[in-house]
Amino acid sequence: DAGVIQSPRHEVTEMGQEVTLRCKPISGHNSLFWYRQTMMRGLELLIYFNNNVPIDDSGMPEDRFSAKMPNASFSTLKIQPSEPRDSAVYFCASRGGRSYNEQFFGPGTRLTVL
Amino acid sequence: AQSVTQLGSHVSVSEGALVLLRCNYSSSVPPYLFWYVQYPNQGLQLLLKYTTGATLVKGINGFEAEFKKSETSFHLTKPSAHMSDAAEYFCAVSAPMEYGNKLVFGAGTILRVKS
Repeated sequence: DAGVIQSPRHEVTEMGQEVTLRCKPISGHNSLFWYRQTMMRGLELLIYFNNNVPIDDSGMPEDRFSAKMPNASFSTLKIQPSEPRDSAVYFCASRGGRSYNEQFFGPGTRLTVL
Repeated sequence: AQSVTQLGSHVSVSEGALVLLRCNYSSSVPPYLFWYVQYPNQGLQLLLKYTTGATLVKGINGFEAEFKKSETSFHLTKPSAHMSDAAEYFCAVSAPMEYGNKLVFGAGTILRVKS
């Protein structure tokens, strides 16, 4: 199993640009989570999906952030327009139906907004 | 509501010494408990988990943790630290029947191992 796949691994962009982060969950998993990790705020849950449907987006910081899951094998997190304070590592995680809520994390995307 | 408290944002031990990372949780229902490890520039990896049954659970790399309901604790231990154990460790709790699929994470503890 390839595990959770995230792309790109690193992204450097300028303030105001649109950024799209991508995630492929583990095959057969029905829940997908997007997290953000910073030194100041630690690990924060942004949004999660069950069966491709967004369940809880209360962690999404503001309207500049949006997430989609068009099918069971792909999700995107978009920031438009990006700001320097969005610089962080963004993790995607997935969960299967009988795993006691154990989540499997991807390697993360390190985003730097200049 | 669920919450997780990890005592000590940084812990330093000598190589070969006991590792003890503390985690206390609050939950109104029997929880599932997890420890994850994050090595530099990597994602989180599951070390061990408690779901039901035996309260002492063993994980990878020689780590173990004990669920103590009376103390609402799930401390992580390893008898002898190795240099490769240097990483950040996260305790997490979930109660799926009441709170759905989310994991609630503690703030993390950075473990430093001195030679």
